[in-house]
Formats: sequence, C-alpha cells, structure tokens
Amino acid sequence: EAGVAQSPRYKIIEKRQSVAFWCNPISGHATLYWYQQILGQGPKLLIQFQNNGVVDDSQLPKDRFSAERLKGVDSTLKIQPAKLEDSAVYLCASSFGEVETQYFGPGTRLLVL
Amino acid sequence: AQKVTQAQTEISVVEKEDVTLDCVYETRDTTYYLFWYKQPPSGELVFLIRRNSFDEQNEISGRYSWNFQKSTSSFNFTITASQVVDSAVYFCALKDGANNLFFGTGTRLTVIP
Repeated sequence: EAGVAQSPRYKIIEKRQSVAFWCNPISGHATLYWYQQILGQGPKLLIQFQNNGVVDDSQLPKDRFSAERLKGVDSTLKIQPAKLEDSAVYLCASSFGEVETQYFGPGTRLLVL
Repeated sequence: AQKVTQAQTEISVVEKEDVTLDCVYETRDTTYYLFWYKQPPSGELVFLIRRNSFDEQNEISGRYSWNFQKSTSSFNFTITASQVVDSAVYFCALKDGANNLFFGTGTRLTVIP
C-alpha cells in the first residue's frame, strides 16, 4: 500500500514570496491533516479535513495560510506571503477516519530567507 | 488542557544496550489514545504503536516494548539491544476525546556503534 505522498521535499524562498505544498493521502483515507513542525518541536496541527470539508482550522494563521481539498483526495497548503518564522517542516497525514491512527508523509522542508 | 512531556531531550547509548524513553501525559478525558512515532533523519513520522486508555496491558513487539501506567500517567518505550538503525527522534503523542493529537517535544536517540 502506498504511503502519504508530499511534494516538493525541499523549498527555499525569500520572505514575502508565496509557496504551495501538495499532499496525496493514502487511498481510501477520508481524513487529511496538515501539521507544522518547527525545529526541535513536535508537530502542531494546522488544519484537518474530513473528505473535502474543514473539520478544524483553529490553529491556521488564516491571514497568510490557506488550504484546500477540493475533490476530497489531494490537498494543497499555501503560504502567502511567507515570513521568516514559517521556516519549518510541513507534514501531511491521513487516516481512515477521525478516530483512526494517522499516517504521515515525508514532509516538505521550507526555509524562508 | 492536554499535555505530553518527554523530559529526555537527547539520549546516547552504545549499540546493544537497552534504552527507555519516558513519556508523561496530562488529560482529564477518560477516553484517550497514546501513540509513539519514530522520525528518522528522512523526516517521515513512522507509526509504532497505539494504546487506548482502557487497555493497560504492556506490549512487546520484537525489540520494542511499551509500559502504560495510568496511575502515573506514563507511557514509556523501551528498546532492547539497541541498533544503529534505531537512531532517530521519537515522539510520544496523545489523542484526546475530541480526536485532537498532541505531540511531545521528542527525544533524540543516538545509538553509537
């Protein structure tokens, strides 16, 4: 069974630029999550989707971050404009349902200069 | 509020030694789940184990074992006869009654050959 796919794996941008990350969850997983992991910390949830609907985006900085999962499968996370403090690893995870175990992708390592 | 504490920031052991990673959690929920994930240098979070709050039986899987004690709110992880491939950051996590997943800050394990 294929795992969670993410791209790109690495991205370097300058502050105030825009960036987008893509995630393809495990086939059949209805729930998709985006996490931000700052160096030396555990992952923190940004947004959770159930199919194509948002379940929880309370921790998403909505002035600059946006995410969508239009067809209930793939998802994109966008930052516009990026700040230095957005430098982190962005992890996508999926699960069969909300109560099920989350499986993580390899992450996108973002560096904002 | 939910909280997961991994007091050990970094641990180094010599190959073949046993090592225990500590995890202490806080929650007022009666139903919750506890997890351990491994994060190798590649960055992907690898699921290791999930336990629910009603099941305090210890578990062994090969060289890995887990000790869950509700009385001390701990869910410790022991690696027996450590190997170099065990070198990674290990995260303990708590899923609360609302299905939110909270991570500890991780313990970096280095196994020296």
